[in-house]
Formats: sequence, C-alpha cells, structure tokens
Amino acid sequence: DAGVIQSPRHEVTEMGQEVTLRCKPISGHDYLFWYRQTMMRGLELLIYFNNNVPIDDSGMPEDRFSAKMPNASFSTLKIQPSEPRDSAVYFCASSQRFANSYEQYFGPGTRLTVT
Amino acid sequence: LAKTTQPISMDSYEGQEVNITCSHNNIATNDYITWYQQFPSQGPRFIIQGYKTKVTNEVASLFIPADRKSSTLSLPRVSLSDTAVYYCLVGSPYGGSQGNLIFGKGTKLSVKP
Repeated sequence: DAGVIQSPRHEVTEMGQEVTLRCKPISGHDYLFWYRQTMMRGLELLIYFNNNVPIDDSGMPEDRFSAKMPNASFSTLKIQPSEPRDSAVYFCASSQRFANSYEQYFGPGTRLTVT
Repeated sequence: LAKTTQPISMDSYEGQEVNITCSHNNIATNDYITWYQQFPSQGPRFIIQGYKTKVTNEVASLFIPADRKSSTLSLPRVSLSDTAVYYCLVGSPYGGSQGNLIFGKGTKLSVKP
C-alpha cells in the first residue's frame, strides 16, 4: 500500500485566496483525521471522520475552515478565505478500528504558506 | 481528559538506552497509553501502545506501573537516527471527545555520536 497520500506537498498562496488540501487514506481504513502543526501550538486535531461521517469538528478553528469526505477514498480540507495565521503543516491520518488499537497512519503533510 | 506531562528535551549518546517518562495522573480506567515518533518534515509514526504492565515490540518497550499514573518509553541502544520528537498520548481509542487525541508538545530527543 502506498500509505496516506496528501496533495499538494507545498502550497503558497496570498491572503484571501481559497486553499484546498487533499487526502487519500489507506484503503480499508474507516477513520480519517485532519491535523495542523505549528511551532507555537504543536500538533492539533482539527476534525475526524468515521465511515465518511464527521464525528468531531470541535478543533476546526473557525468557519473559514471546512472538511468533507465524499467517499471512503478521498477527503478535502478547505480554507476560504485564507489568512497568514493559517500557515502551518497540515497532516491527514487514517486508521482502522480493531480491538483497542490506537495506531494512526500519517501522510507526509502539506506545508501551507499564506502571504 | 487525561493531561500528559513529559520532558521538553533529552540528550543521549549512540548505543545508550533512553527512557522517556510521561506523567498522566488523572488517567481514566478505559484509557490506553500510546507513543508516537516524529522526524523533521514527516508525520508522526506509531511506536507502541499499552494498558498496563510491560509491552515490548521490535522498536521499544513501554513500562506502565500498577497505578498507571505514569509510563516510560524505553529505547534500547539508540542511534543517530532515533533523533526525533516523541509524543505520549493518553485516551480511549476512538472516543468521541477530541480530548482523546491531543499530542502535546512532545519530548525532543537528540542523539549524539
């Protein structure tokens, strides 16, 4: 398996523009997570899905952020409009629920820079 | 929500055993303890998970005392490639609360030759 795939790997955009980050989870995994990592705040969970349904989005910073999972093999995280403080590395992770395992598989991340 | 406390940084030398301790005084009965490793410019990688006593895999060992208020990740004979940030997480797998998935700041381990 290719692992979790994220695109793009790097994104540079201007303030006010719409940004869409994409994620393809590992086939067969029924949980998908979006995280954001910055030096100041560390690694923060934004939202997670189970069987394509959003379960907890309390980590989404504000209404400018939205996430969708139209099917089991694809998810997007959209920021509209983007702001410089959104600059961070965004990670997508997926996992498969069995027993009490807590193992999540992370993608390589998307480094977002908003100027 | 079980908050975790771990050292900000640690230094070691190649070939030594490294023990990183995490405190979680208010761990709940259903909570598991999980450790992740993160290299620069990469996503975190699962290392080990446990509930009580000792767990060992090909990478590390996890020691959990009877009261479960702390845990120790043990890395045997570290090498330069073990230089990374190590995160301790405490929570119930797939709990509905976001509080179960907090990574914190982690421990930055630096291994020197």
